[in-house]
Amino acid sequence: DAGVTQSPTHLIKTRGQQVTLRCSPKSGHDTVSWYQQALGQGPQFIFQYYEEEERQRGNFPDRFSGHQFPNYSSELNVNALLLGDSALYLCASSLVGRGGEGFFGQGTRLTVV
Amino acid sequence: GIQVEQSPPDLILQEGANSTLRCNFSDSVNNLQWFHQNPWGQLINLFYIPSGTKQNGRLSATTVATERYSLLYISSSQTTDSGVYFCAGTGGFQKLVFGTGTRLLVSP
Repeated sequence: DAGVTQSPTHLIKTRGQQVTLRCSPKSGHDTVSWYQQALGQGPQFIFQYYEEEERQRGNFPDRFSGHQFPNYSSELNVNALLLGDSALYLCASSLVGRGGEGFFGQGTRLTVV
Repeated sequence: GIQVEQSPPDLILQEGANSTLRCNFSDSVNNLQWFHQNPWGQLINLFYIPSGTKQNGRLSATTVATERYSLLYISSSQTTDSGVYFCAGTGGFQKLVFGTGTRLLVSP
């Protein structure tokens, strides 16, 4: 049973570029949430997708957008990258009705130069 | 909104020692999880513990929901226990709100 998988594991982008990160949820899970973790801090909630729609959003600008596909996998897109977007991006999957127990992927470390 | 606070922020132990990490959370938290973040950044699930006590090997956790706190116990610590421990609470819609973490260093 595969857990949550994210790709790529590392990425270096130039300021102003756009980036797409990918996440495949744990088998049987239907909800995907994305988090940003800056160095030395706890993960911060970006948004959550369920039934291919954004269900809840944290305090992040519109440059951050996402998508969920019919197979429950998800993408996180960030446009017009800023140096401050450098962080570890974590994807969590969960199952609606199971109280929110989340399982995380290994993360994508994004560096913006 | 949901608030989660952890203490202590840093902890240094000798191998073999025991420790207790604390997590306080606000009224709007329905469920609580404990995670260990390894040096490569992955968050490893330790416990999903809305209330009561659970044990897994040398680790155990207790959540007293009526008093809005949870404790993570690490017994006979090992160097591999080093890392950052997070508690996270959920309210509606399964959004996890994390505490600031406890950074644990276990020295040989």
